[in-house]
Amino acid sequence: AQSVTQPDIHITVSEGASLELRCNYSYGATPYLFWYVQSPGQGLQLLLKYFSGDTLVQGIKGFEAEFKRSQSSFNLRKPSVHWSDAAEYFCAVGRTDSWGKFQFGAGTQVVVTP
Amino acid sequence: DADVTQTPRNRITKTGKRIMLECSQTKGHDRMYWYRQDPGLGLRLIYYSFDVKDINKGEISDGYSVSRQAQAKFSLSLESAIPNQTALYFCATSDGGLAGGVGTQYFGPGTRLTVL
Repeated sequence: AQSVTQPDIHITVSEGASLELRCNYSYGATPYLFWYVQSPGQGLQLLLKYFSGDTLVQGIKGFEAEFKRSQSSFNLRKPSVHWSDAAEYFCAVGRTDSWGKFQFGAGTQVVVTP
Repeated sequence: DADVTQTPRNRITKTGKRIMLECSQTKGHDRMYWYRQDPGLGLRLIYYSFDVKDINKGEISDGYSVSRQAQAKFSLSLESAIPNQTALYFCATSDGGLAGGVGTQYFGPGTRLTVL
């Protein structure tokens, strides 16, 4: 069965430190991959997406993600975290075998400490 | 103005009541979606619509119904609300996207529904 796994439910990181959020997917067809961020009380905002081409994708707010087909992963990174990055982050797969429906991971809550 | 709006933003209701959540979009997209978010479960798809005449059930449609009144409007109804429908509800839209029909989804701000 297709699935999206975010192994880390909760991550605490110091301001200025680097951040990496993991996402693994199980999907037989070509994956279209997305990362969204949900700030407290807000809707989901698109950070970046991968459809094809360069496997290192740049997004907004200084985030990047790398698609690794061999590892079925699409990990999100940021070199230096700001307090405003405290939020919940969701990885999603857009399913080409199901008319573009999304399958979301359970989310990773990021806490930023001074 | 926001591209995807949802009303109300917050709602408290009682068990057995009928509730309607509304979604409007100005992005001109044909595809619209309703999700619910529960802690630790991510977002789960309730219903989706690819155009005004097309309505499809998602993975958790029991207890819900929808209406696509126009390209820009997609409403979600809870016919008889129950406490386990307490959740955060999101509307989303997308374009047709690339191969396989995958497009970027754009989300509204959410409606927090509490059923007592």
